[in-house]
Amino acid sequence: GESVGLHLPTLSVQEGDNSIINCAYSNSASDYFIWYKQESGKGPQFIIDIRSNMDKRQGQRVTVLLNKTVKHLSLQIAATQPGDSAVYFCAECERSGYALNFGKGTSLLVTP
Amino acid sequence: NAGVMQNPRHLVRRRGQEARLRCSPVKGHSHVYWYRQLPEEGLKFMVYLQKENIIDESGMPKERFSAEFPKEGPSILRIQQVVRGDSAAYFCASSPDRGSEEKLFFGSGTQLSVL
Repeated sequence: GESVGLHLPTLSVQEGDNSIINCAYSNSASDYFIWYKQESGKGPQFIIDIRSNMDKRQGQRVTVLLNKTVKHLSLQIAATQPGDSAVYFCAECERSGYALNFGKGTSLLVTP
Repeated sequence: NAGVMQNPRHLVRRRGQEARLRCSPVKGHSHVYWYRQLPEEGLKFMVYLQKENIIDESGMPKERFSAEFPKEGPSILRIQQVVRGDSAAYFCASSPDRGSEEKLFFGSGTQLSVL
């Protein structure tokens, strides 16, 4: 079946630097995308979402970019902090209200 | 302001036993989703329920697994005759309605270990 996957399994950045986490998806019918943050021993936490009719959306210190042409999604975290250390998942679904398909995750480690 | 509550946090079962995982959604949420996560993997959708109804169970194994969300009480994910391959973290999420992924809240999960 079609899948959602991530390019880099681990990412190490220095505190204060910007982080970029990438995600490739293969389902051309994907309409809705979400980034989640998962800390150890906890459930995923919603960060930011974007619909297929947009190519960029900004939140607080986070930006999601969507390139439908190459089926690529990225999460940018500005001024990365130690508290940002976690596993980040992208997820997609064909329509809002339907089951989310998660990628495998990227572990972000922020070093002082 | 309680979020999604899952219990137990850790559950140990021997092969062949039954596992019951409970999920109490956010107060006022009537939509519940169950996901399974294997080590170093993403979450895999299992089932989506509304009160007293199963809306989508396309991710549920055909045998041994069942889920319910009764009118009163928590949602239950039941695994009969557990096998080692059932060992995983099981997450429940709830939302107030369909199509509100930004309001989808996940619990902290139940870690099931099958000996």
